[in-house]
Amino acid sequence: GAVVSQHPSWVICKSGTSVKIECRSLDFQATTMFWYRQFPKQSLMLMATSNEGSKATYEQGVEKDKFLINHASLTLSTLTVTSAHPEDSSFYICSARGRASASGGSYNEQFFGPGTRLTVL
Amino acid sequence: GIQVEQSPPDLILQEGANSTLRCNFSDSVNNLQWFHQNPWGQLINLFYIPSGTKQNGRLSATTVATERYSLLYISSSQTTDSGVYFCAVAIAAGNKLTFGGGTRVLVKP
Repeated sequence: GAVVSQHPSWVICKSGTSVKIECRSLDFQATTMFWYRQFPKQSLMLMATSNEGSKATYEQGVEKDKFLINHASLTLSTLTVTSAHPEDSSFYICSARGRASASGGSYNEQFFGPGTRLTVL
Repeated sequence: GIQVEQSPPDLILQEGANSTLRCNFSDSVNNLQWFHQNPWGQLINLFYIPSGTKQNGRLSATTVATERYSLLYISSSQTTDSGVYFCAVAIAAGNKLTFGGGTRVLVKP
């Protein structure tokens, strides 16, 4: 239980184009999803918190007009990188907060998707 | 915001050795999780452990919330244990996780 998927797993795009990344909780409902970014050999940095049916909350320094987040259902959140530039190249990871299905567990526990590697040329 | 420090930053082990990874945090927490990031970048949940002790196979973890630290024990290490281990904490129920810098582990055969 508690599986989170991301699509695509990797994407290469030209500078100036937009890229959409999907994050899905497959076997549980996630009222809250989170988006992180990780640069090579660094830790994960939170970009935004996404609650179903409401506007995302962005961390300081993250441009909300550049990184558009939509959490339209309890199982799907999307991150769109608009007008991507080479400095946006990174590993983007989503997580979902929910209860592990079969074994119970805490509603606070977060489960992570496999990540999306974005390369902007 | 809360500070999370992990030590050591790098660890090289011979297969079969035991090791202890440490996570210090600067405030009271409501959530603490340990993860293993594999070479493909996937974060694997190891423990949800805001307090107490848990064991899962060769891995165990202890969080002493009153002293603001957590320990991850790896026993009889295997080459597949290589990767980066992250500790992450949240200061309120369901709140956003703050990650430590990670411990990069290499287990040599």
